[in-house]
Amino acid sequence: GAGVSQSPSNKVTEKGKDVELRCDPISGHTALYWYRQSLGQGLEFLIYFQGNSAPDKSGLPSDRFSAERTGGSVSTLTIQRTQQEDSAVYLCASSLGPAGTTYEQYFGPGTRLTVT
Amino acid sequence: GDSVTQMEGPVTLSEEAFLTINCTYTATGYPSLFWYVQYPGEGLQLLLKATKADDKGSNKGFEATYRKETTSFHLEKGSVQVSDSAVYFCAGGQAGTALIFGKGTTLSVSS
Repeated sequence: GAGVSQSPSNKVTEKGKDVELRCDPISGHTALYWYRQSLGQGLEFLIYFQGNSAPDKSGLPSDRFSAERTGGSVSTLTIQRTQQEDSAVYLCASSLGPAGTTYEQYFGPGTRLTVT
Repeated sequence: GDSVTQMEGPVTLSEEAFLTINCTYTATGYPSLFWYVQYPGEGLQLLLKATKADDKGSNKGFEATYRKETTSFHLEKGSVQVSDSAVYFCAGGQAGTALIFGKGTTLSVSS
């Protein structure tokens, strides 16, 4: 079956511009996560959606970052007024059940964002 | 807050050597623990997991045992292969919270 998909796969933008990154989770997965992977920094948690609950936004690095999940499915991560330090690979993952339990997180291929 | 401390790499081994990658999770409770692997050019995928103390996760010849006293989950493999070359991430999480990942350990295996 289809896995987690993300678009675009690559995005180059100028400093100060806004960008939107899209994630399509696996159908039926209630949980959706966004992470950021920077060189040498591992995976940095950004935001977590679980069903209809309020999202856990504790990982968002600044108020320039926001995310929404419409209809419990597709999610969009928006970065406003991009900065060069925002350059990274943005990963989306989904799982059948809540985080931190037995449910495996399935990762998408990521969006490589480069801010020039 | 919770954190994951993972052995830094890179780790370079010859084929058939023994592998250990250390991982310790610091938390107020007892999380579920995971190892994820990222092969070159591919996305992250779950390698193995353990949800309670003394659980042993195993897959593809890799093993890790959840040690409650130290909240450790060290990854081991008795005989590595060139195809095991990848980046390995330890992760942990309490129920209902997103996983916290370590910084990753790059393993290179030469023939």
